[in-house]
Amino acid sequence: DQQVKQNSPSLSVQEGRISILNCDYTNSMFDYFLWYKKYPAEGPTFLISISSIKDKNEDGRFTVFLNKSAKHLSLHIVPSQPGDSAVYFCAASILNRRNQFYFGTGTSLTVIP
Amino acid sequence: DAGVTQSPTHLIKTRGQHVTLRCSPISGHKSVSWYQQVLGQGPQFIFQYYEKEERGRGNFPDRFSARQFPNYSSELNVNALLLGDSALYLCASSSRDRLYGYTFGSGTRLTVV
Repeated sequence: DQQVKQNSPSLSVQEGRISILNCDYTNSMFDYFLWYKKYPAEGPTFLISISSIKDKNEDGRFTVFLNKSAKHLSLHIVPSQPGDSAVYFCAASILNRRNQFYFGTGTSLTVIP
Repeated sequence: DAGVTQSPTHLIKTRGQHVTLRCSPISGHKSVSWYQQVLGQGPQFIFQYYEKEERGRGNFPDRFSARQFPNYSSELNVNALLLGDSALYLCASSSRDRLYGYTFGSGTRLTVV
């Protein structure tokens, strides 16, 4: 039962343009969300997070938007750089089970120079 | 400082065999989690240990077990290996009893033949 879904397996964007990665979830108990970035042969690296009490969180070129009514979040990368090419995972957790995160299947982003 | 280290990096085993994977957390981190990532999927939670106690268990059969040692390193054991156990096994550590702030290792690639 995939509770966190990333329906786009891949995305290609020109350098300098905006990259938008999407994530949907089904469990209304999720209240904390993260994005991880993964390069080949490396473990996932934490990128940015958002609590359900917010609808936006920004960190430099990265912004995460949360739409609770639609159970949807998105990661915006502006401007996109070739070094951003990686697999991006969306993850979610429940308040009383912070030790367990549910991951999406990932979106492979390619930024074309 | 050394990150999360996992050993071995690659492993090939035969169906029915047993395997032990090892993880050393970042110095000072008392929490270790294990995740399984099957090709094309997101990481799936297996176990979390904090201060040598099991704090969470995912939906995995009893063939999977783990433990944490006094130095906070951890082992993941899998008995009676199946072909479907072939995956990247990721270990993550944190200084707090929650996933936020977790750092992942590069993983152990297990192939069962």
